[in-house]
Amino acid sequence: EEQLVESGGGLVQPGGSLRLSCAASEFTFSAYWMSWVRQAPGKGLEWVANIKQDGSEKYYVDSVKGRFTISRDNAKNSLYLQMNSLRAEDTGVYYCARPRWQQRTLDVFDIWGQGTMVTVSS
Amino acid sequence: QSALTQPASVSGSPGQSITISCTGTSSDVGAYNYVSWYQQHPGRAPKLMTYDVSNRPSGVSNRFSGSKSGNTASLTISGLQAEDEADYYCSSYTSGSTLVFGGGTKLTVL
Repeated sequence: EEQLVESGGGLVQPGGSLRLSCAASEFTFSAYWMSWVRQAPGKGLEWVANIKQDGSEKYYVDSVKGRFTISRDNAKNSLYLQMNSLRAEDTGVYYCARPRWQQRTLDVFDIWGQGTMVTVSS
Repeated sequence: QSALTQPASVSGSPGQSITISCTGTSSDVGAYNYVSWYQQHPGRAPKLMTYDVSNRPSGVSNRFSGSKSGNTASLTISGLQAEDEADYYCSSYTSGSTLVFGGGTKLTVL
């Protein structure tokens, strides 16, 4: 079964850093663009960032530009999100997500992880 | 990158039909036929229900259908069932090569 499993969430103080990981299994990870999507408590979904198959292209939502960095290691079938200068408004569940087809860049997500919770608070 | 506009809540009785709207701009919903709809039950990851405006993944009931007119997309659920009670989110590709979601709509089956 195609699967994504996130890890790395936790409690961090404002201004701190956290690195999220997403492990992929049972599909050819290197063939797909990958994305991070977050959801603040009781709020809606927000696309955060995506990365091309070879890591050569990356896109971010304006609110995280300059603070978050998306990366991947295809040899380890893993996606990462390095989050720096964290703010209270970054609090939420972070999902990694895979598009349905290899040629799609950042939509039609048919595989989602279970999410990992990030809490930014003093 | 403002969120797409959805009604906060809709409701319907079992067997009825409901429609959820999703309004964007000429830079997202109006510009591309890349609108998707997701269903999310509490504590669960989202599930893809329709994509590219009106296509349905295999395994999704044909009671779910999508459409679009101008800058507004819609999801219609016919023959409402208790298990349809959930939050629903639309999403659209944007001219900035990003993705924008709607604010979400809570569906209550009365």
